[in-house]
Formats: sequence, C-alpha cells, structure tokens
Amino acid sequence: KAGVTQTPRYLIKTRGQQVTLSCSPISGHRSVSWYQQTPGQGLQFLFEYFSETQRNKGNFPGRFSGRQFSNSRSEMNVSTLELGDSALYLCASSERGDRPAFFGQGTRLTVV
Amino acid sequence: QKEVEQNSGPLSVPEGAIASLNCTYSDRGSQSFFWYRQYSGKSPELIMFIYSNGDKEDGRFTAQLNKASQYVSLLIRDSQPSDSATYLCAGGGGSQGNLIFGKGTKLSVKP
Repeated sequence: KAGVTQTPRYLIKTRGQQVTLSCSPISGHRSVSWYQQTPGQGLQFLFEYFSETQRNKGNFPGRFSGRQFSNSRSEMNVSTLELGDSALYLCASSERGDRPAFFGQGTRLTVV
Repeated sequence: QKEVEQNSGPLSVPEGAIASLNCTYSDRGSQSFFWYRQYSGKSPELIMFIYSNGDKEDGRFTAQLNKASQYVSLLIRDSQPSDSATYLCAGGGGSQGNLIFGKGTKLSVKP
C-alpha cells in the first residue's frame, strides 16, 4: 500500500501570497488531519476532514482553510502569507479517529 | 479543550538503560493511544499503539495504559543512540474525533 503523499515537499513564497498544499491519504483512509510544526514546537492541529466534511478545527486564523475531495485527497490553503507561517506542514491519514494515523513526509514552507 | 500532557524533557539516559516516557490525558472518552517517534526534520513515525489496560510489548518497546489514572507510558529497554528523538503521545476515539497529540518528550541516549 502506498503511504501518505504530500506535495510539494518544499515551497518558498513571498509575504502576502497564498499557497495550496496537497495530501493524498493511504487508500481506504477517509480521515485526513493537518498539522503545523515550527522549530521546537509540538504539532499544532489545524483541522481534520472525514468523508469531505470538516469535523474539527484548531485555533488558527481564517487564513488557513482546507477541503477534502470525494477520493479523500485533501488540500490546505493559506492566504495572505505571513513570515510566521514558515513551518513544516504535515498531514496524516487514518481509517477513523480512534485508529492509527500515518503521516506524510510534510511540506516545508518558507515565507520570505 | 481536551489535552494530552507530556514532560518536554529533555530526558537523557545512558546507552543500554531503560528510558521511561510518560503521558497523561484529560478526555476520559479516549479509547486508543499511540506513540510516535520523530527525528529532527522528519515526520512522526508510529511505533506503538495500545487500546486496553495493561502492558503491550513489541521488541524493545513496552506501552502501558492505565485508563483509571488516565496515564500512558512507553518504556524503551536497552536504549540505543539511534533512539534519540522526540516521542509524541496521542489519544484517539474521544469526543474530539481525531487524534490529540502531546507536545512530545525529547529523548537523548548517550553512548
């Protein structure tokens, strides 16, 4: 079975721009969660989608949004980028909320 | 807000010793618990999961769960320098629906 695939792996954007990150979950997994991780920080939960519906959302501004498609692939969008948005963005997929989540390799976003 | 708490460390142990990592959780509805290992600059990797009270062993790793005390632990026997990483505890199946992660404990195994 293929693992979780995140694209792109690296991204450099300028302040004020917007960015879209993509996550393809493991086949059969309907739950996709997104996390932000900055140096020395733990995983900051962004949101979770299950069967195309956002079930949970973390404490991030509205500039951070996401969606999930019928094939369970998910995208995350950040608008009006700020320097502080520079981070490793991770997505994780699972069959459901009480089952193991498996992470993609992440997208490292640098905002300059 | 449901939480998972971990001691951030760093926890330093000599090579060959037992490393003990601990975690507490606030959501009594959580049914499943997971330990992830994260090397610097890499994504978290699942190493253990436990659903029932008691101990679960897998090689050098033992996960322990006590639902009455809302406490989860991970023991690493015969610690190796390659075990040096941040260990994340997560709880699932609770009211929030998705896994809730602790902030992680940094483990350093000294040769």
